[in-house]
Amino acid sequence: DTAVSQTPKYLVTQMGNDKSIKCEQNLGHDTMYWYKQDSKKFLKIMFSYNNKELIINETVPNRFSPKSPDKAHLNLHINSLELGDSAVYFCASSQGGSGDTEAFFGQGTRLTVV
Amino acid sequence: AQTVTQSQPEMSVQEAETVTLSCTYDTSENNYYLFWYKQPPSRQMILVIRQEAYKQQNATENRFSVNFQKAAKSFSLKISDSQLGDTAMYFCAFMKHLSVTSGGSNYKLTFGKGTLLTVNP
Repeated sequence: DTAVSQTPKYLVTQMGNDKSIKCEQNLGHDTMYWYKQDSKKFLKIMFSYNNKELIINETVPNRFSPKSPDKAHLNLHINSLELGDSAVYFCASSQGGSGDTEAFFGQGTRLTVV
Repeated sequence: AQTVTQSQPEMSVQEAETVTLSCTYDTSENNYYLFWYKQPPSRQMILVIRQEAYKQQNATENRFSVNFQKAAKSFSLKISDSQLGDTAMYFCAFMKHLSVTSGGSNYKLTFGKGTLLTVNP
């Protein structure tokens, strides 16, 4: 069973388009995250949600809008895609505060804007 | 703001030898978690080892161990008997408690810029 799954794995699209990346976790975690990994491999947090509530929004352009219909899902919608949005996007989940705290990651979505 | 610094962008080691990856962090918190994640070419993020700040004993997972120096805010990873499959990007990460909201406790996970480790045959 996949703990954190995100789709699609690859996404190639033209500038100006709108696209969505879906993420689901079956771990029962309360917190979900979106990270962006740029071409230099730097992982930067974009958003975090706790039980459908937005907790972290790290100065991400308004074109990026996360949506959490329930605590097991955190989708990322991107409007008016730009070349600079090309990156790998990772979804993750965690259940903090316990001895086995860790973040579980999806396999990543490689977004290429052409 | 919490920062995580990995001062070695790239490292290499011969198979079967030992290598140490450095990580320092900056925080005013007393309770937090530290992690090393591995990202092989497959792109999957894999947890290597975890350390709770309140535990003085250094964490160990088979060939992987850490040297956690809380006062110095240092968290290095030692890989013993390096194997070809250890070739990957290694990320040091810091997780701290952020707030409590209606949904419960919230945490933030921050990563260093990574160290690319190559194990040579």
